[in-house]
Amino acid sequence: DAKTTQPPSMDCAEGRAANLPCNHSTISGNEYVYWYRQIHSQGPQYIIHGLKNNETNEMASLIITEDRKSSTLILPHATLRDTAVYYCIVFGSNDYKLSFGAGTTVTVRA
Amino acid sequence: DTAVSQTPKYLVTQMGNDKSIKCEQNLGHDTMYWYKQDSKKFLKIMFSYNNKELIINETVPNRFSPKSPDKAHLNLHINSLELGDSAVYFCASSQIRGLEQYFGPGTRLTVT
Repeated sequence: DAKTTQPPSMDCAEGRAANLPCNHSTISGNEYVYWYRQIHSQGPQYIIHGLKNNETNEMASLIITEDRKSSTLILPHATLRDTAVYYCIVFGSNDYKLSFGAGTTVTVRA
Repeated sequence: DTAVSQTPKYLVTQMGNDKSIKCEQNLGHDTMYWYKQDSKKFLKIMFSYNNKELIINETVPNRFSPKSPDKAHLNLHINSLELGDSAVYFCASSQIRGLEQYFGPGTRLTVT
């Protein structure tokens, strides 16, 4: 029952920006867009979240379209350690649980 | 300092046995969770506790019983283990329900 659509995989060159798209066309007004990633054999790691405005932190930037139906996670300078599965999740303020889809497997190549 | 810790990291056991996985968080969070990640890598929530009170119980066999002795701990006890229980189990916590969850390193359970 994932509310998001992501490409199954993408490659990125080390040192370049990685742009990860996510479609969430059925998102409602009180729902946030969250991004997590899971590096092989580790627990998922929170990256960033946003509601309407673009957000930036030390890990990434999140660009949300004006109609909020899609967003892009940007890793500004990808490193080999950014190789992971990235999950885009829509989460409402009344929700209790995160619903993880299949995510995007990002491979950063030297 | 480990924020969310789980023990054991690996657990190999035989069908029919009973086992427990322990989880502790030192973040002062009010809400804790258990997730199961199967061989296909899909991560699904099993349980959530808020201030020691059960708030989420997904369709999980009643052989699985969470126990929260206090806000910092959420243990998972599994009775009569089956082959299909083999998976990686992740514990997580958050200050507010659902938001910014911090995950433990996982416990890989193998039932033979």
